[in-house]
Amino acid sequence: AQTVTQSQPEMSVQEAETVTLSCTYDTSESDYYLFWYKQPPSRQMILVIRQEAYKQQNATENRFSVNFQKAAKSFSLKISDSQLGDAAMYFCAYSSNFGNEKLTFGTGTRLTIIP
Amino acid sequence: DTEVTQTPKHLVMGMTNKKSLKCEQHMGHRAMYWYKQKAKKPPELMFVYSYEKLSINESVPSRFSPECPNSSLLNLHLHALQPEDSALYLCASSQDGDWGEAFFGQGTRLTVV
Repeated sequence: AQTVTQSQPEMSVQEAETVTLSCTYDTSESDYYLFWYKQPPSRQMILVIRQEAYKQQNATENRFSVNFQKAAKSFSLKISDSQLGDAAMYFCAYSSNFGNEKLTFGTGTRLTIIP
Repeated sequence: DTEVTQTPKHLVMGMTNKKSLKCEQHMGHRAMYWYKQKAKKPPELMFVYSYEKLSINESVPSRFSPECPNSSLLNLHLHALQPEDSALYLCASSQDGDWGEAFFGQGTRLTVV
């Protein structure tokens, strides 16, 4: 079974600075997807960024980028120029490419933005 | 329309009540999901419907009964719940299980008294 681990329960960053959230995972599969989801107080889970395991290039979405290290099974999220609206719970998640209906979440990291 | 709409937003029910949660999407997605999220915990998968058929049941107690009347609508029928069932219930949808295009609703905050 796949597992996803987020070792930082809470992080804080000064507004406009850069912060990196860590995620490691364990799988025996070679083809899978990794995601970062954001859950603000409004409760809705919002997809931040997605990485396909077969792609070596790290995914980027505006101020959000990932550092995907497949051999190390590491998938960190970097948020540049942090904004107050980035404050939320961030979940790392894994989905197999085979029977990919099941999304496995990590325990989450609560990010606080300091004005 | 890129929304998953869940109703009601909040629900308080007694242990002998019967209630239903509703989830609707009009994006043409063929997979729909129910997740349960306890406070300060990640979401846990409960059920998956694919093309209106139940494809995954994560050993959920029978007091939770899912229903998919059509491709746009997903219900979760609740009966004889326990206080420990109090949680945020999230609905999600995706096109054929492609999580790159998945959308979540805002959830129903359920309290069982």
